[in-house]
Amino acid sequence: EADIYQTPRYLVIGTGKKITLECSQTMGHDKMYWYQQDPGMELHLIHYSYGVNSTEKGDLSSESTVSRIRTEHFPLTLESARPSHTSQYLCASSEPGLARNEQFFGPGTRLTVL
Amino acid sequence: ILNVEQSPQSLHVQEGDSTNFTCSFPSSNFYALHWYRWETAKSPEALFVMTLNGDEKKKGRISATLNTKEGYSYLYIKGSQPEDSATYLCASPPSGGTSYGKLTFGQGTILTVHP
Repeated sequence: EADIYQTPRYLVIGTGKKITLECSQTMGHDKMYWYQQDPGMELHLIHYSYGVNSTEKGDLSSESTVSRIRTEHFPLTLESARPSHTSQYLCASSEPGLARNEQFFGPGTRLTVL
Repeated sequence: ILNVEQSPQSLHVQEGDSTNFTCSFPSSNFYALHWYRWETAKSPEALFVMTLNGDEKKKGRISATLNTKEGYSYLYIKGSQPEDSATYLCASPPSGGTSYGKLTFGQGTILTVHP
């Protein structure tokens, strides 16, 4: 079983607040990813990282930012939350040599911005 | 950007029914096709990784086939049980090759199995 964790699992917050969604993995994977999913829609990649001090924007534009100071930790931050940020956020990790880009996922954070 | 499409979007079946759903993807520059199962309030978990045309994979009552020439994969569930209720996702690396480990996902098929 994969060891990748996300906190909080659910978050309801008011507009304008700064929030950080935590993601950590204990597998030592170099590659980590953040996805956003709106109801009924596909997972969209918003950020990824190849390793420490490496971060890239994904295919879907996002106002969030990420950092990768430690291999095991890949937090996502929204400086000023808005209702349009209401969504589910999934974190994943991967390692070269795993079967054809297989990724391991956390349980997700469901964010609601009022 | 690679287009991965799944159908149907949702499916309701009775316990004991067999069912199947489809994932389609561009057949050019194919690298791999992944199937994941995502149960409510849990992490998506990998079911199969398929790479070769004609591949068939099986895990218990769930099996999958792959046709890379025409760009589709089928997922079959034999004798559905309520615990099979989940969203089934397929995904493929974009633009062929490793693409730095990235995956492009379809929108999923939501399966509900009624007792």
